Formats: sequence, structure tokens, C-alpha cells
Amino acid sequence: GNSVTQMEGPVTLSEEAFLTINCTYTATGYPSLFWYVQYPGEGLQLLLKATKADDKGSNKGFEATYRKETTSFHLEKGSVQVSDSAVYFCALTRGSNYQLIWGAGTKLIIKP
Amino acid sequence: ETGVTQTPRHLVMGMTNKKSLKCEQHLGHNAMYWYKQSAKKPLELMFVYNFKEQTENNSVPSRFSPECPNSSHLFLHLHTLQPEDSALYLCASSQDRKLTDEQYFGPGTRLTVT
Repeated sequence: GNSVTQMEGPVTLSEEAFLTINCTYTATGYPSLFWYVQYPGEGLQLLLKATKADDKGSNKGFEATYRKETTSFHLEKGSVQVSDSAVYFCALTRGSNYQLIWGAGTKLIIKP
Repeated sequence: ETGVTQTPRHLVMGMTNKKSLKCEQHLGHNAMYWYKQSAKKPLELMFVYNFKEQTENNSVPSRFSPECPNSSHLFLHLHTLQPEDSALYLCASSQDRKLTDEQYFGPGTRLTVT
């Protein structure tokens, strides 16, 4: 079946460090891929998405490339800030019911 | 109000109580969702409504009862809950049910069952 696997957190980095949060997926065909972010005390919000192979989604300095050959959609940012501290969720949609399949989330902590 | 709002933000209830969670979206969307978020687990989709009709029920126990009176409002009625039902309950909406549609989330209701 369809599934999403994210690296376990928490991930703790210093400000201005390079960030990678790994996400791999299992799905037939060509799913759409998403990264959502949840800041403390808030609901989830879409960070970026990619809908076909080799697409790159980007927003607020974050990027992720849809890699069909490695079934991955890793999230990267060149220089993180304290305000990036949040929980990041990788997800995919596939199938006729268009349900979002979620990863377990990765908590990111950025220290000044 | 803009976006998706949920009330109450926090709720403590005993196992014999009956309560309701409310969600309202001000985005003109056609689809609405209830999710359960528990610590260190993927989000669990509970119910989906599309144009006020329930289209998904992911094997949710009958102690959870959804209601969608119109495309802007969604309720989750709770009765005789168990302590393991304690979680953050998130409401979301999307324009339609397409693969590329973004979902917009409310801030959630933190439910504690005692």
C-alpha cells in the first residue's frame, strides 16, 4: 500500500546550519508530494509541493525535489533560523479517493 | 474571521460526557475533513465530507459522530469517549478532492478524556 517514511526527530541544529529532513515514499504510479509545517499551537500549513517527477517545490527558502528513481522528497534549507522551529510532515496523495497519506512528522529545533 | 477556525481550543471531558467540536471554514471550499493527531504518529484521517456528503469514514468508532450541515460548517459529536481518545483533533478544508489540492487546517482542539 501507499506509505510515507520520515526521519525520526527531534532534529536539533544551530542557527544558520544546513537542514535536510529525509522523506521516502511507497506508492504506485505518480503521487503528488507535499511538505506541511506545524508551528507550536497552530494547525498544519502547506510549505511546498511537487506534482510530477523532477519537479522542485520551494517556499520560504525551503526546497524539495520529487525523485522518482529513489522515491524520495527530502526537504532542504541552506540556512535555518530560530523561527523555523516546528514539526514538518511529508505527505502524498494517490488513488481515486485523493486521501493524503502522512508521515509521522519530524520535530525541528533551532538553537540561537 | 479568515481561514479555518475551530472551537473550543481545549476541552476536558469525562468518559460519560457528551460534547461537540465545531469547525468553520471561510474559504468557500467544498471539502472538509476531520483528523486525529496523536504524539509521534501519522495524522489519522477520520471523516471526509464533499459538498456536505460524507465520502469517507475510516473505521472510526461510533462514539465519534460527524455532522456537516453545510459546506462551511463541520461538527464532531463526542460521547462515551475513552482515555485513548485524548489527542489533538484537526479540521481541514480544500477546494475540491483533487490530487494537487492543498488542505487548509484549523488550529485544532486539544481533547483530554479523564
